Amino acid sequence: GESVGLHLPTLSVQEGDNSIINCAYSNSASDYFIWYKQESGKGPQFIIDIRSNMDKRQGQRVTVLLNKTVKHLSLQIAATQPGDSAVYFCAEKGGTSYGKLTFGQGTILTVHP
Amino acid sequence: NAGVMQNPRHLVRRRGQEARLRCSPMKGHSHVYWYRQLPEEGLKFMVYLQKENIIDESGMPKERFSAEFPKEGPSILRIQQVVRGDSAAYFCASSSTSQGNYYEQYFGPGTRLTVT
Repeated sequence: GESVGLHLPTLSVQEGDNSIINCAYSNSASDYFIWYKQESGKGPQFIIDIRSNMDKRQGQRVTVLLNKTVKHLSLQIAATQPGDSAVYFCAEKGGTSYGKLTFGQGTILTVHP
Repeated sequence: NAGVMQNPRHLVRRRGQEARLRCSPMKGHSHVYWYRQLPEEGLKFMVYLQKENIIDESGMPKERFSAEFPKEGPSILRIQQVVRGDSAAYFCASSSTSQGNYYEQYFGPGTRLTVT
């Protein structure tokens, strides 16, 4: 069945380093992908999204890369800060689903000062 | 512009009681989604509603769970005869449109349900 999964459940980095969080998806019909950040006790916060007709999209300090050939999505965070510490989820929307997002299990990012 | 509002933030119910979770979408948003999150897991889709219509309820358990989004007022997720396995965080999200199949879903702070 459909699934969205992450390669690494935890990631520890030093402040100022660049972080890369990976995500694999299995639904080849997925046409839209989102990265969310979730801090403890809070709801998911939208970070960046990308459509399936794109390979790369940049935001402020964040870049999302999409490789449809291998069904892989990554989130790059430049100059990681302690405030970036959170759980990061990738989510995808299948091409035939109206609103349903399928979430991965999440990666815990810890940034050490 | 206020974000997605959910209440209560924390809800404790004994087994067999009913739980009612409320969600007010962002201003101007007419699409509401409910997700459930178990500890240390990702969010699982439950139901997608527009005003007075259920669009997709493929993630809703067949029994005890229901959702509505009336013409006036918040969306309600109702769980009857709660069991311990219902303990989870329930998140509501809203979006402005699903036209063109691309949209952003904005999440509320969630309701943490504990069944004792």
